[in-house]
Amino acid sequence: ETGVTQSPTHLIKTRGQQVTLRCSSQSGHNTVSWYQQALGQGPQFIFQYYREEENGRGNFPPRFSGLQFPNYSSELNVNALELDDSALYLCASSLAGWETQYFGPGTRLLVL
Amino acid sequence: DAKTTQPPSMDCAEGRAANLPCNHSTISGNEYVYWYRQIHSQGPQYIIHGLKNNETNEMASLIITEDRKSSTLILPHATLRDTAVYYCIANNAGNMLTFGGGTRLMVKP
Repeated sequence: ETGVTQSPTHLIKTRGQQVTLRCSSQSGHNTVSWYQQALGQGPQFIFQYYREEENGRGNFPPRFSGLQFPNYSSELNVNALELDDSALYLCASSLAGWETQYFGPGTRLLVL
Repeated sequence: DAKTTQPPSMDCAEGRAANLPCNHSTISGNEYVYWYRQIHSQGPQYIIHGLKNNETNEMASLIITEDRKSSTLILPHATLRDTAVYYCIANNAGNMLTFGGGTRLMVKP
């Protein structure tokens, strides 16, 4: 157990809808990173938030956006959902910036 | 980040040591070697990381060659619960984790 929690555990949406996924970081951690893992592939980095600011972004379109709150919890928002957005979404927290990252259990999103 | 190469799959007998190799021939001097594992449908679990020296913790040992071009993760007494995909990642302190295909380790009774 890492102390990183994510909600919901599973979600079903339809194409064109919007979704918000939530992550609570491990106690004492001020950084949250989000990853997308398609079936059969390794996780792909989406972006990182450090002290409420975006601190790096992977190759994902702007319809993937995020927020980090003063308590260091975080949200991942995806607009205009596409079928290819179906994946396991993982968040990872770290003590500061790019220190060792500890992952939550993930949210499995299915887009129909 | 340097590219890493791992065998796609390995088997290990329960109770024996599992030795998982990783090649990272283009690793730069400031890149650490990280190991994570992912049990089916769960989030990746951090195992261990190192820069130059061999490292050991309660889960595993990490052996890094002197030239740093390869490393081996050792699970000293594999159990069925160690069956997972193991990812070796070369990562500097200022970058995101880049996951490759990993090694699917099957521990058999």
